[in-house]
Amino acid sequence: NAGVTQTPKFQVLKTGQSMTLQCAQDMNHEYMSWYRQDPGMGLRLIHYSVGAGITDQGEVPNGYNVSRSTTEDFPLRLLSAAPSQTSVYFCASSDWNYGYTFGSGTRLTVV
Amino acid sequence: AQTVTQSQPEMSVQEAETVTLSCTYDTSESNYYLFWYKQPPSRQMILVIRQEAYKQQNATENRFSVNFQKAAKSFSLKISDSQLGDTAMYFCAFMFKGTSYGKLTFGQGTILTVHP
Repeated sequence: NAGVTQTPKFQVLKTGQSMTLQCAQDMNHEYMSWYRQDPGMGLRLIHYSVGAGITDQGEVPNGYNVSRSTTEDFPLRLLSAAPSQTSVYFCASSDWNYGYTFGSGTRLTVV
Repeated sequence: AQTVTQSQPEMSVQEAETVTLSCTYDTSESNYYLFWYKQPPSRQMILVIRQEAYKQQNATENRFSVNFQKAAKSFSLKISDSQLGDTAMYFCAFMFKGTSYGKLTFGQGTILTVHP
C-alpha cells in the first residue's frame, strides 16, 4: 500500500520555467490537497479538491494551477516559477473520517 | 476564517519526562476537527492524534493525549514518558467539518527536542 506518492522529491528551476509536481494516492480518497511549507509559517493550503472534476483555491493559490481528472491523481502546476515559490510542497489525501495522509514532500528551489 | 496559534516556537524535555505543547484557535464554527501532526527530520508529516469538537472526552493515543477546552478554544498535546524519537516539529491543525471539508489550517509549529 503506497499511500500518497509525490514526485519529484527535489527540483531546481530557473525563474520563468514551468513544471508539474505529481501526486497520486491509492486509497480511493475523495479529498486531496496541496500545501506549501515555509519556515515559521507552518503549512499553507494552495489548492484542494473534494472529488474528481472539483477543485477550489486555498490560502495561497496565485501562480499555481491544479486539475483532478481522476480520483487518484492531483497534479500541481507552476506556470512561471518565481523565487518566492521556493518551498517544500506537500500533497495530502483523506477520506471523510480519518484525517489526512501526507506525501513525503517536494523540495523546490527557484533560482 | 480560522486561525491556529502555537505560542511556543521551541520546547525541550528530558527523556522519560512529560511535556505539554500549547495550541489555541479561533473559529466561529461549532463542528470541526483538531489534529496534532508530527514532522521529524525526515520531513514526513505523521498524524499523532485527532479530536472531534462535539466529543467532550479528550482523545488519547498511547503516550499522547490532548486537553481539549472548547470554550477556551484550546487544544494542548501532552507527551508522557518522552522518547528520543519524539524529537520533531509538532503542528496543531484545524479542519471545519462542513462544506469546506478538506481545508486544514495549521499553526506555525513547535520544535520539540528530547534530551537523553
